[in-house]
Amino acid sequence: DAKTTQPNSMESNEEEPVHLPCNHSTISGTDYIHWYRQLPSQGPEYVIHGLTSNVNNRMASLAIAEDRKSSTLILHRATLRDAAVYYCIPGVDSNYQLIWGAGTKLIIKP
Amino acid sequence: KAGVTQTPRYLIKTRGQQVTLSCSPISGHRSVSWYQQTPGQGLQFLFEYFSETQRNKGNFPGRFSGRQFSNSRSEMNVSTLELGDSALYLCASRRGLPSSYEQYFGPGTRLTVT
Repeated sequence: DAKTTQPNSMESNEEEPVHLPCNHSTISGTDYIHWYRQLPSQGPEYVIHGLTSNVNNRMASLAIAEDRKSSTLILHRATLRDAAVYYCIPGVDSNYQLIWGAGTKLIIKP
Repeated sequence: KAGVTQTPRYLIKTRGQQVTLSCSPISGHRSVSWYQQTPGQGLQFLFEYFSETQRNKGNFPGRFSGRQFSNSRSEMNVSTLELGDSALYLCASRRGLPSSYEQYFGPGTRLTVT
């Protein structure tokens, strides 16, 4: 199973962009990179996923390194509601289940 | 459309009792997964059901069981509760067994065992 390395926590100012890094050097060539987030007292929420190309949706952008060993989730303009734990998930295990790590706790300062 | 719902939201039980948690997936979603989340262990996969059949199972003792009904609603049961079973139990649904793994989570059931 692919392993991830994410910062335990990050701080950012409201209305500024946020770049959340993730290293997944053991990812296989066919594994999608997923990002989820978990707001306080809620279940995880899907954010974005990608394979090789950079991806954009209404919530965020995902930048994937050319060698796929790292990726960066970009929140273009953070709000207080974006304060959450962000999980980078590089693929699935042998049971085809997402591999959840500890994630990055994102703190947004007003 | 309605999201994943879980009932009850909070539950307090004593050691030795059993508990049943319920999950209603998003309409049209045939796969339901269950997770246990604790501060120390994070999110851990319990099992996944697809079309009423258990497709995958995590590394949990047999006290943890589940089932899925024909309308895709799912229940999980924990028998002979232990203090260590105190956790947030999350249910997630998705359309099927996909090439990408976009799951939709419910708000969870907070179980406290005393």
